[in-house]
Amino acid sequence: EIVMTQSPATLSVSPGERVTLSCRASQSIRINLAWYQQKPGQSPRLLIYSASSRATGIPARFSGSGSGAEFTLTISSLQSEDFAVYYCQQYNKWPRTFGQGTKVEIK
Amino acid sequence: EVQLLESGGDLVQPGGSLRLSCIASGFTFSSYAMAWVRQVPGKGLEWVSGFSSSGGGTNYADSVKGRFTISRDDSKNTLYLQMNSLRPDDTAIYFCAKSLFGVVSYFDYWGNGTLVTVSS
Repeated sequence: EIVMTQSPATLSVSPGERVTLSCRASQSIRINLAWYQQKPGQSPRLLIYSASSRATGIPARFSGSGSGAEFTLTISSLQSEDFAVYYCQQYNKWPRTFGQGTKVEIK
Repeated sequence: EVQLLESGGDLVQPGGSLRLSCIASGFTFSSYAMAWVRQVPGKGLEWVSGFSSSGGGTNYADSVKGRFTISRDDSKNTLYLQMNSLRPDDTAIYFCAKSLFGVVSYFDYWGNGTLVTVSS
C-alpha cells in the first residue's frame, strides 16, 4: 500500500498569506495525485487532479505541482473561505490512499 | 446536476451486517467508476472500495477485504456496499463518490454520507 504523508498537520495562517502544503508518497506515483478541500460538516471537494490541473470552478489562487513522490498545493492568497482541511490522494496503485490531512486554521 | 444520495446507515452490533445504497442522478451512471470512502467523524478520509464501469472490476482496502462487497446496478443507477462481520472500527460516515473516468481514480462528486455505527 502506498502511504501518503502530509505536512504540516496544522497550519496557522492569516488571510492574504501564501500557503504551501506538502504531500509525500512512499513510492513514485508519477502525477496520479489529487487534492481535496473539506470544510466542517461538508463532503470533500475536488481541487486538483493529475497533480496540477484545477478542477472545474476552482479559483486560480489554488495551484498544484510535483511529480514522482513529492507534491505541493499552493494557495496564493488565502481567503476566509479557504480555512479547511486539505487532503491529497494517490490513484496510481491499488488500494487508492489518502493522506492524513492538513488543517489550515486562522492565525 | 449530479447528485449522489446515500442511505442505509444505522446502529449495528459487532459481527452484524448492513447494506449501504447510493442512488445517482444527473449523469450516465454506467459510464463511470464509483467508490466508497469513509471517515471517522473528526478524522481523515479512508478509501474503502471501488467499482470500475463496464465490467472493469472491483477493488478493496485491506481493512475491509473479505468482509465488504461492492456492487452496482446500472439499470437502477445505484451503487451498493454490503458490509458483513462489522467491527467497532468500521464506525464512520460512508461517502459515495463518482470517479471522472471508467476506472476508479479521483473523485469529482461526493454524496453527503451515511453514518454507520458499530456498537453493542
